[in-house]
Amino acid sequence: DAGVTQSPTHLIKTRGQQVTLRCSPKSGHDTVSWYQQALGQGPQFIFQYYEEEERQRGNFPDRFSGHQFPNYSSELNVNALLLGDSALYLCASSSDRGVHQPQHFGDGTRLSIL
Amino acid sequence: AQSVAQPEDQVNVAEGNPLTVKCTYSVSGNPYLFWYVQYPNRGLQFLLKYITGDNLVKGSYGFEAEFNKSQTSFHLKKPSALVSDSALYFCAVRGPYGNNRLAFGKGNQVVVIP
Repeated sequence: DAGVTQSPTHLIKTRGQQVTLRCSPKSGHDTVSWYQQALGQGPQFIFQYYEEEERQRGNFPDRFSGHQFPNYSSELNVNALLLGDSALYLCASSSDRGVHQPQHFGDGTRLSIL
Repeated sequence: AQSVAQPEDQVNVAEGNPLTVKCTYSVSGNPYLFWYVQYPNRGLQFLLKYITGDNLVKGSYGFEAEFNKSQTSFHLKKPSALVSDSALYFCAVRGPYGNNRLAFGKGNQVVVIP
């Protein structure tokens, strides 16, 4: 049973560029959440997707956008990259039917901005 | 908005001694509380959760946590620490139903000394 998978593992970009990160949820899960984890910090909620729509959003600018596909996989897009966007980006999946079940996390994408 | 505080940056403990990692929370309504562990260059791994019921919750790898409503705390414990328990530990709180985002603390680095 494959867990949450994220790609790529590492990515290096320069300021002003755009980036797309990908996530495949755990089998049986239909909800995908994205988190940003800066160095030495806890993960910060970016947004959550369910039924191909953004259901909740954290305190992140519009440069951060996402998408969910019919197979429940998801993408996180970040435009006009800033140095401060350097972080580990974590994807977590869950089932909307399992309200009290934990979110399952992937190993993340390490994004470095030069 | 929900939030979590983990007051200590690092917890040092000798192998075989009891381990405690502290967490206090703030949330409107009933709290849904979680502990996750993160090993280097990995995502977050679920340890245990409190939803309702018994205040003492048992989880993976011999960990347990005690929910205390009056002190708004959810401390993680292990009776006998192992060197392999050395990792970063995160406490998280989820709001009431309909608010699925997790709010994480800044994390505690646990170092188990052989």
